[in-house]
Amino acid sequence: DADVTQTPRNRITKTGKRIMLECSQTKGHDRMYWYRQDPGLGLQLIYYSFDVKDINKGEISDGYSVSRQAQAKFSLSLESAIPNQTALYFCATSARYQETQYFGPGTRLLVL
Amino acid sequence: GNSVTQMEGPVTLSEEAFLTINCTYTATGYPSLFWYVQYPGEGLQLLLKATKADDKGSNKGFEATYRKETTSFHLEKGSVQVSDSAVYFCALRGLGSARQLTFGSGTQLTVLP
Repeated sequence: DADVTQTPRNRITKTGKRIMLECSQTKGHDRMYWYRQDPGLGLQLIYYSFDVKDINKGEISDGYSVSRQAQAKFSLSLESAIPNQTALYFCATSARYQETQYFGPGTRLLVL
Repeated sequence: GNSVTQMEGPVTLSEEAFLTINCTYTATGYPSLFWYVQYPGEGLQLLLKATKADDKGSNKGFEATYRKETTSFHLEKGSVQVSDSAVYFCALRGLGSARQLTFGSGTQLTVLP
C-alpha cells in the first residue's frame, strides 16, 4: 500500500463550488504539505503543517484553507473554486529533523 | 528570497547518450539541494541530495555536485535509458525555522530507443 494517499485522484467541478481534497499518510510523519503544480512553474507551496496544532501559509494560500484532523490526515479546501485553480495538487510528508519529503500521487483538478 | 533556475526542456536523447540538466540557485547561506523525479502519472520521488558544498549526491547512475562557487547543482548521467524518461525537478531547502522546499520549473526528459 502507498504511504501517502490522496483522494480523489481526479475531480471536475464548477466555478463557485466548494471542494475538499484529502491526504492520508501511514509514514508516521509529523509534517505535511500541500503543493500545486502548474505547467512550466514547478511546485508552489500552498500550506504546511508541522503538527496537528501548527498550520502555516505557504507562497500561494489565497483561496485555499486546510484542516489537520489528525497526525495522519491533512485536507485542502477550495471554498469557492475558480478556473485558475485548475492544477495538479500534491500532498507531501516529512519527518521532523529529516529533509526528504515524500509525495502522494496527486489530484488532478479541473474547474469549469 | 530563495529561487531555483532550471534548464528549460523538453530534452530528447537517444538511449545511452550523456545527460546534463543544469540547475542554479539563489539562496542565503548554505541550503540543502535536491533532485526529484516525477514519472508519468506519479508523484515526485527524491532522486538524490547534497547538504553541503562539494558534496556529491548519487543514485541510479545519476550524479550532482553541490558547487557553492557557481551556485549550481547540475544533474548528470553517463548513459540514459528509456526508463529514465520523466520530469526532473531541482529544489533547495533554505535556512530558517520553516526550511521549506523551493522548486525549479522542471525539465521533461524523453529517451528514445
